[in-house]
Amino acid sequence: GAVVSQHPSWVICKSGTSVKIECRSLDFQATTMFWYRQFPKQSLMLMATSNEGSKATYEQGVEKDKFLINHASLTLSTLTVTSAHPEDSSFYICSARDQGAGSYEQYFGPGTRLTVT
Amino acid sequence: AQSVTQLGSHVSVSEGALVLLRCNYSSSVPPYLFWYVQYPNQGLQLLLKYTTGATLVKGINGFEAEFKKSETSFHLTKPSAHMSDAAEYFCAVSGDGGFKTIFGAGTRLFVKA
Repeated sequence: GAVVSQHPSWVICKSGTSVKIECRSLDFQATTMFWYRQFPKQSLMLMATSNEGSKATYEQGVEKDKFLINHASLTLSTLTVTSAHPEDSSFYICSARDQGAGSYEQYFGPGTRLTVT
Repeated sequence: AQSVTQLGSHVSVSEGALVLLRCNYSSSVPPYLFWYVQYPNQGLQLLLKYTTGATLVKGINGFEAEFKKSETSFHLTKPSAHMSDAAEYFCAVSGDGGFKTIFGAGTRLFVKA
């Protein structure tokens, strides 16, 4: 089946630094990937839709200058949290649509736990 | 616009008992509906999905769900709960043309021995 990986699985960084999270579709091409944020014991909140070769579409209230998204290839999207602060600590999950499958199903990565100290 | 409401943030059942997790949706277009399960500190795993066709959908681990358009519902059931079913369950809807998936708030399932 379709597999999506994320790297790193967890990261601790100091306040003010930037962190990059990678999302890869391992066995399919994904022109569209999604980035979600999940706070403890809460649901997934869609942050942005990442489109290969074009700018990401951000959801209302998400700071595009803080959460930089790059979708440089059909199998890789990256989320960079710039000038991280403790309130950015969260579980970040990406997903990808298998364009070839022609369905609305998304395949989710295992998530990245970010802790900002 | 689409939305999902999951009734009950917590559901507790005894091992071997029926599992029923409720989900109602709102959609201005024919919906695609999903149930996902999430174990602690992990990503989401698809349990089952409804796109078109048969309204009773069978998924993995003995789960099934029925799409009822008249009730705008997509409840998840399993005849007999197992301890390993304890997890967070999310109902989701998609199909607005923008390919976004909207998630419900989630229901945590507890299974008592």
